Amino acid sequence: AQSVSQHNHHVILSEAASLELGCNYSYGGTVNLFWYVQYPGQHLQLLLKYFSGDPLVKGIKGFEAEFIKSKFSFNLRKPSVQWSDTAEYFCAVNAQPGGYQKVTFGTGTKLQVIP
Amino acid sequence: GAGVSQSPRYKVAKRGQDVALRCDPISGHVSLFWYQQALGQGPEFLTYFQNEAQLDKSGLPSDRFFAERPEGSVSTLKIQRTQQEDSAVYLCASSSLGPYEQYFGPGTRLTVT
Repeated sequence: AQSVSQHNHHVILSEAASLELGCNYSYGGTVNLFWYVQYPGQHLQLLLKYFSGDPLVKGIKGFEAEFIKSKFSFNLRKPSVQWSDTAEYFCAVNAQPGGYQKVTFGTGTKLQVIP
Repeated sequence: GAGVSQSPRYKVAKRGQDVALRCDPISGHVSLFWYQQALGQGPEFLTYFQNEAQLDKSGLPSDRFFAERPEGSVSTLKIQRTQQEDSAVYLCASSSLGPYEQYFGPGTRLTVT
C-alpha cells in the first residue's frame, strides 16, 4: 500500500526566510504527486501537482516542488516566505490507477511565518 | 462558480446516535470522494463514487459507515451508532473523471460525546 511521510510537523520561519518541506512516499511504480494547502479557516486546495515530464513543478504563489524518483521524494520549496503563507501543508500521492485518483495524504506540516 | 458544499458544518452527537452528513459536489463532477480527518492527521480515504456507483469503499472503518450517491450528484455519508472514535472532520471532494484536481468542501466536524 502507498504511504506518505512528512518529516516536519511544525515549522516556524521569519518572513523572507527560505522554506523546504520534506515529503517521501513509498510506492515503487508510477505515481502522481500533490501538495495541498489549507489556510486558516479555508478549504484544502491544490498548491501544485506532478504527473509526468519536468520533475521541477511550479505552483501557485511562488511555490515549487521537485520530484526525485531515486529518493522517492517530492519536497516543497519557496525561496522567500510571506506571513500569508501561514497554513498547513499536505503532501499526497496517488499510485497511478487504471481509473481514479485515490489519494493518500501525509500527516501535514503546520507552517507559521512570523512577520 | 459554486464549489463543493457540505452540511452541517458542525454536528454534535451523543454516543449511539445515527448521523447523516451531506455533500453537494461541483455540478458535472463525475467523481466524488469522502475522507476522514482526525485531529493532527491528514485526510484518510473512506470511499469513492463514479456517478452513482460506489467503486471503492475500502476505507470505511466499519459496517456502521455507509455512503450513497443515488442520482450521481449529492452524496450522503451515514454513521450508525456513533462512537467517540468517530469524532473527526469528514471531508468531501469532487473532480472530473480522470487524473484531475480534487476540489474539497469545508468539511463537517463531528463530535461524539
